[in-house]
Amino acid sequence: ELKVEQNPLFLSMQEGKNYTIYCNYSTTSDRLYWYRQDPGKSLESLFVLLSNGAVKQEGRLMASLDTKARLSTLHITAAVHDLSATYFCAVDSTSGTYKYIFGTGTRLKVLA
Amino acid sequence: NAGVTQTPKFRILKIGQSMTLQCAQDMNHNYMYWYRQDPGMGLKLIYYSVGAGITDKGEVPNGYNVSRSTTEDFPLRLELAAPSQTSVYFCASSYMGAQLAGAHEQYFGPGTRLTVT
Repeated sequence: ELKVEQNPLFLSMQEGKNYTIYCNYSTTSDRLYWYRQDPGKSLESLFVLLSNGAVKQEGRLMASLDTKARLSTLHITAAVHDLSATYFCAVDSTSGTYKYIFGTGTRLKVLA
Repeated sequence: NAGVTQTPKFRILKIGQSMTLQCAQDMNHNYMYWYRQDPGMGLKLIYYSVGAGITDKGEVPNGYNVSRSTTEDFPLRLELAAPSQTSVYFCASSYMGAQLAGAHEQYFGPGTRLTVT
């Protein structure tokens, strides 16, 4: 069964600090996605990682993928208040019936 | 492009009533999905469709029905509403190419906030 786990579930951090969110998944997949959800809003796509070793960066966020370890990280550099949101990773699997599974989400709060 | 649109934005239902949540996309995406998100929780897949006329159950399909008569539309039907169906419902779409290759990031609608009392 495809499972996607994130940690931490909650993260409160000071502005200017660095931190990493982890996403572990349980099955073979070369594709991993990161989404952002602001409070009361919908989800928007942040990054699409399509191969082992893929790294994508946008502003203060950098995502990477290690398919051998079945692990993706979302690194936050010098956090600012505007990054406060819930971040979800997701994995899809084409083995057998197609599946697209979201992680539990990490609720990030950046304190001024 | 409007992307993925959902109606209504908000709805209050009485127990036992029925309703249809509408979802439409104008990106010619073949895959469409319905999720529910309970307060403070992640997404749970209700149903998905890989193309017109083809639908399949997700993780939590009980109490819901879907149809996909066109590429653009993917309505979700709630029969006999129950308080446990109080949630925010998101519709999403993605494009899946040949050989299942490429990126399948999902594009989400704004959501429908449903309360059953």
